Amino acid sequence: QLQLQESGPGLVKPSETLSLTCNVSGGSMSSSPYYWGWIRQPPGKGLEWIGSIYYSGGTFYNPSLKSRVTISVETSKNQFSLKLSSVTAADTAVYYCARVNPLDTGMLRTPGYFQDWGQGALVTVSS
Amino acid sequence: DIVMTQSPDSLAVSLGERATITCKASQSVLYRSNNKNYLAWYQQKPRQPPKLLIYWASTRESGVPDRFSGSGSGTDFTLTISSLQAEDVAVYYCQQYHTPPFTFGQGTRLEAK
Repeated sequence: QLQLQESGPGLVKPSETLSLTCNVSGGSMSSSPYYWGWIRQPPGKGLEWIGSIYYSGGTFYNPSLKSRVTISVETSKNQFSLKLSSVTAADTAVYYCARVNPLDTGMLRTPGYFQDWGQGALVTVSS
Repeated sequence: DIVMTQSPDSLAVSLGERATITCKASQSVLYRSNNKNYLAWYQQKPRQPPKLLIYWASTRESGVPDRFSGSGSGTDFTLTISSLQAEDVAVYYCQQYHTPPFTFGQGTRLEAK
C-alpha cells in the first residue's frame, strides 16, 4: 500500500521560501513511471494544482505560480520536494502531495488524475 | 484555463435517496484521438485529503462502492450516488486533466437531510 507523507515547517515568514518534502513509502519511485504532484487548499476553500514532476525529472507547473515554484525529485531517497518563493499570506494553505497517474497523450507522457494523496501539511505564512 | 463549474454548491439528500452533482467545463475535455474524457471526481471528508472516486469520467477507482457512478462527455458531466449512505457526507470535486493548468471545480457540499 503506497503511502505519502508531507513534512516541513508549519510557519513561514512573508517574503521567505516555503519548503516541503513528500516521503513515499510502500513502493519505489525509481521503478514506477508515475508523475508526482503538489496540490494546495486554503482554509475553507477549494483545491489548486501547483505542479507535477515525472519520476525522471520532467515538470509541469501551474502558470499562475510558475515564477515562484520549483519541484524536484530524489528517487534514491524516495521523496520529492516543493519550494515556493516570496510567499505571502495568500499562500497559507494545506499542501498535499500526490501520486499522479501518467497518461500517454500523443507522443508525450503527461500527468493525469491524482491517484493517491498524502494527509496534507498546513503551512501558515505570518510574521 | 479550463474553468470547471459545479452545481449545486450544496445539496441535502435523505439517506437512501439519489444524489446528483453536475460539473460543466468551459471547453471540451474529450480527447478525440482516444475518445476519452479527461475528467475525475474526488470525495473529501472533513479533515481528510481528497480521495479519487472516478476517472475517465465514468471508471470507478478500485474499492469505490458501485452506488457511485459518473457519466457525461465533452463539457457536461454528472456524479450520481444512487442511494445516499451516512458515510457519503462530504465535499465532492470534479477535476479536468485534459489541459494544464489542471483545474478543479469549486466543490459541492453533500449533506444528509
